[in-house]
Amino acid sequence: AQTVTQSQPEMSVQEAETVTLSCTYDTSESDYYLFWYKQPPSRQMILVIRQEAYKQQNATENRFSVNFQKAAKSFSLKISDSQLGDAAMYFCAYRSADFGNEKLTFGTGTRLTIIP
Amino acid sequence: GAVVSQHPSWVICKSGTSVKIECRSLDFQATTMFWYRQFPKQSLMLMATSNEGSKATYEQGVEKDKFLINHASLTLSTLTVTSAHPEDSSFYICSATRPGLAGKTDTQYFGPGTRLTVL
Repeated sequence: AQTVTQSQPEMSVQEAETVTLSCTYDTSESDYYLFWYKQPPSRQMILVIRQEAYKQQNATENRFSVNFQKAAKSFSLKISDSQLGDAAMYFCAYRSADFGNEKLTFGTGTRLTIIP
Repeated sequence: GAVVSQHPSWVICKSGTSVKIECRSLDFQATTMFWYRQFPKQSLMLMATSNEGSKATYEQGVEKDKFLINHASLTLSTLTVTSAHPEDSSFYICSATRPGLAGKTDTQYFGPGTRLTVL
């Protein structure tokens, strides 16, 4: 079974600064997907960024980028120019690439606080 | 972007009653929907996978007779908590898989959640 570990329960960053959230995972599969989801106080889960394991290039979405290290099974999220609206719980998630196996396995989450 | 709705957004019920939660994909057809449970300050725990036209697949430890799931159409899945008790109080979240377009991978979209309180 796959597991996802987020070792930072809480993180804080000054507004406009950069912060990196850590995530490691364990799997025996060679092809899979990794995600970062954001859950603000409204509790609506929002997809931040996704990474296909077969792609060597790290995914980027505006101020959000990942550092995907497949051999190390590491998948960190970097948020640049942090904004107050970035304050939320961030969950790392894993999904198999097997057809018909779309369920997500989530990490325990990291609560990000933005300091004005 | 794709929208998934849940109804109701919150519900309070008496112990022993049943509660039904609806999950709808508003602008796409979802062959697969998922139901999660989230306790305060904790992560999402998958309860079951719901496939249109077939029985749901429950995760280990989830009582299928207590949490009835019906995926009657490509846009609607329902979760019924039967004979609810205070320990069933939680935040329930559904998600729906939108098929990928033009060779792109499908994406899972989440509903806004339903807060259930059992007195």
